[in-house]
Amino acid sequence: QKEVEQDPGPLSVPEGAIVSLNCTYSNSAFQYFMWYRQYSRKGPELLMYTYSSGNKEDGRFTAQVDKSSKYISLFIRDSQPSDSATYLCAMNRDSNYQLIWGAGTKLIIKP
Amino acid sequence: GAVVSQHPSRVICKSGTSVKIECRSLDFQATTMFWYRQFPKKSLMLMATSNEGSKATYEQGVEKDKFLINHASLTLSTLTVTSAHPEDSSFYICSARGPSGQYFGPGTRLTVT
Repeated sequence: QKEVEQDPGPLSVPEGAIVSLNCTYSNSAFQYFMWYRQYSRKGPELLMYTYSSGNKEDGRFTAQVDKSSKYISLFIRDSQPSDSATYLCAMNRDSNYQLIWGAGTKLIIKP
Repeated sequence: GAVVSQHPSRVICKSGTSVKIECRSLDFQATTMFWYRQFPKKSLMLMATSNEGSKATYEQGVEKDKFLINHASLTLSTLTVTSAHPEDSSFYICSARGPSGQYFGPGTRLTVT
């Protein structure tokens, strides 16, 4: 079993829909959770960075961490075609430890 | 499948010395690998694209003589930080283009004292 599981998709939704992207993990020591967005032929861009459990909101994006279930989510409200990209989750115990990556979910927003 | 490893995971070196970081694709062949650098809570910054058997392509502002990249086989790329300085301290991450996309290594934490 991989330490971090993420459905590769593709996930296709109509413009304006709420998108839910998820990762599950097995290591209870993880405390730092990140979501990256990667456009084709570009490096991943950090979207959200959260510590421990709870929600964090930034514009149309909300990151949610449920440590009891070992489950993290990224919600995108009012999705736009420009949100079409691959979204990767990553996590670690602290900043000195290696990042463990999800496989990435390809998201397609249809106009 | 599609696992990318990096070694070492953490390294501390003295200023002026050189450090080599290895990136390996464990179960697939990768003609193209990428090297990134990440500052705390920042996005990954692409440093260079490494192509097997040819010279790496460096991004603007990245010193090719300081960050030596070698991609001698289809499963191994190395990044050597030469004459390291404290400002080179960072998290270095590689990725490899695999059968179904780009796969990232776990990163190497470099601390230069």
